[in-house]
Amino acid sequence: GAGVSQSPSNKVTEKGKDVELRCDPISGHTALYWYRQSLGQGLEFLIYFQGNSAPDKSGLPSDRFSAERTGGSVSTLTIQRTQQEDSAVYLCASSLARWTGTQYFGPGTRLTVL
Amino acid sequence: TQLLEQSPQFLSIQEGENLTVYCNSSSVFSSLQWYRQEPGEGPVLLVTVVTGGEVKKLKRLTFQFGDARKDSSLHITAAQPGDTGLYLCRRRNDMRFGAGTRLTVKP
Repeated sequence: GAGVSQSPSNKVTEKGKDVELRCDPISGHTALYWYRQSLGQGLEFLIYFQGNSAPDKSGLPSDRFSAERTGGSVSTLTIQRTQQEDSAVYLCASSLARWTGTQYFGPGTRLTVL
Repeated sequence: TQLLEQSPQFLSIQEGENLTVYCNSSSVFSSLQWYRQEPGEGPVLLVTVVTGGEVKKLKRLTFQFGDARKDSSLHITAAQPGDTGLYLCRRRNDMRFGAGTRLTVKP
């Protein structure tokens, strides 16, 4: 079916507001990952889901960041009380089975915090 | 965390030139993947290398896995502007990527 989709594609928010970013993985993919990419930088790992559980959330930069996954499918990354340093592209990826599988990435959500 | 080092960090060349980028670690890889990220898009898998000494070719791209499985290289022959992007390596049993090599090929 379709590839990984993310919404919104762009989000502009004011400092201090909360934002929710959505990821729809490829159907049947049990593993889901969130990454952050600041301008001109590489990929910073945030969190990994296997099914609905998150065995590795070690990359979340602060307690303002949280993520959930429901029904083994859609995932939401929430950033509370956004700060300017949160501005980045947030990428979601999914894979068929755990972290050994090939990752398929979505196009990302570009977050700008004013 | 087992770190991956990629070099060079940036590379800017003219169309038609050859280039090599590297991915290194102090520990052994079970297998390694190379991805390319074009501007404005998510990374896409190019290749997976598994066996020490393995060489894989993808058109003008040649991937090599070191005999000791601690390093890998990507060589591009006669680079084209379409090769422009961020080249990332990833240890296949880890979710983290190297910092990448940002390649610009000028026409």
